[in-house]
Amino acid sequence: DTEVTQTPKHLVMGMTNKKSLKCEQHMGHRAMYWYKQKAKKPPELMFVYSYEKLSINESVPSRFSPECPNSSLLNLHLHALQPEDSALYLCASSLLPAGQETQYFGPGTRLLVL
Amino acid sequence: SQQGEEDPQALSIQEGENATMNCSYKTSINNLQWYRQNSGRGLVHLILIRSNEREKHSGRLRVTLDTSKKSSSLLITASRAADTASYFCATRFTRQLTFGSGTQLTVLP
Repeated sequence: DTEVTQTPKHLVMGMTNKKSLKCEQHMGHRAMYWYKQKAKKPPELMFVYSYEKLSINESVPSRFSPECPNSSLLNLHLHALQPEDSALYLCASSLLPAGQETQYFGPGTRLLVL
Repeated sequence: SQQGEEDPQALSIQEGENATMNCSYKTSINNLQWYRQNSGRGLVHLILIRSNEREKHSGRLRVTLDTSKKSSSLLITASRAADTASYFCATRFTRQLTFGSGTQLTVLP
């Protein structure tokens, strides 16, 4: 299995809703990442998990809450989002956190906040 | 924060032609990677070149790296309509990748 899966593919939520994005990989990778990508822009790093521990938080607002229950799963909990948070949310994984490896990306969750 | 700039921002060519995209970056790097993104989808890794390498090939792809100029180029030869996508360079220094601004390539049949 050489892919990263993300669910749901699309999500529409109101500003008072609570929702979660899910990411899964079964490649034995020990680093997992959340990126946010706005239209026609490059991905921007949000969080990095290394060996199931949060190692990088790029000053992301607390309305985004990541969780890594085990080495294969990564969640992003969303609460009280703003319309400007609408974007494509990409999950990625790599074999090791600080190595020279490439990152494998999931297809993304397209989020619309109304 | 965005590390690199890519040019051109957009490129439109005919099928069979070659496409060249350039990437400039600002800091020292361990490696530079190129990724492709089809419209609204995830990114796919294309090729990685290490800081001590100058050129690398993979199929129809050729990547060069000039660390003295802090720049890289991606050449796609004999382009196909299926190559239509956004192409991003990404530099790695410590623990994270930082993506350039991207080039939107359109290959016309």
